[in-house]
Amino acid sequence: ETGVTQSPTHLIKTRGQQVTLRCSSQSGHNTVSWYQQALGQGPQFIFQYYREEENGRGNFPPRFSGLQFPNYSSELNVNALELDDSALYLCASSLGTNTDTQYFGPGTRLTVL
Amino acid sequence: GEDVEQSLFLSVREGDSSVINCTYTDSSSTYLYWYKQEPGAGLQLLTYIFSNMDMKQDQRLTVLLNKKDKHLSLRIADTQTGDSAIYFCAVPSPSGTYKYIFGTGTRLKVLA
Repeated sequence: ETGVTQSPTHLIKTRGQQVTLRCSSQSGHNTVSWYQQALGQGPQFIFQYYREEENGRGNFPPRFSGLQFPNYSSELNVNALELDDSALYLCASSLGTNTDTQYFGPGTRLTVL
Repeated sequence: GEDVEQSLFLSVREGDSSVINCTYTDSSSTYLYWYKQEPGAGLQLLTYIFSNMDMKQDQRLTVLLNKKDKHLSLRIADTQTGDSAIYFCAVPSPSGTYKYIFGTGTRLKVLA
């Protein structure tokens, strides 16, 4: 059984640029959630995708957007990057209902200069 | 509001027990979780407890839940240097958006 994978591992961008982060869910999971973890903080929920539709969103601006594909992999896109977007971005997959345990990937470390 | 609080640091000697505490304002009636994060890594699921249970034991880990006081704790018996990490409790939001609310994490340092 393959766990949750994310790419790239690290990324450096400059302010104003756009970035795409990728996540492959654990085998058999159809739900993907994205979290942002700033340094020294706990993860903050960005949004969740279930069967290719957005299924809930946290307190993040519209420049944070996502996609989920038919194979349940997912992308997180961030436009007009700001310095405060520097963080570890974590993807979690689950079987699909709100009672299901979320399993996390290793994260993508984004640095915005 | 939705809030989860943890103490920031805990230091114990190898072989002692560690107790990490978490308080929350509200949760959905499902599971509550403990995750472990090592430096530069993602979150590893350690254990969980269903909201209608008071206690769950899983090898060296014991989870206690006081639902009335909205207090969750994780006890690690015979703490080892490999247990040094940041521990997060995660509480499913009661708002129906299927998100977890995380505490700020407790950094556990195990002294040899």
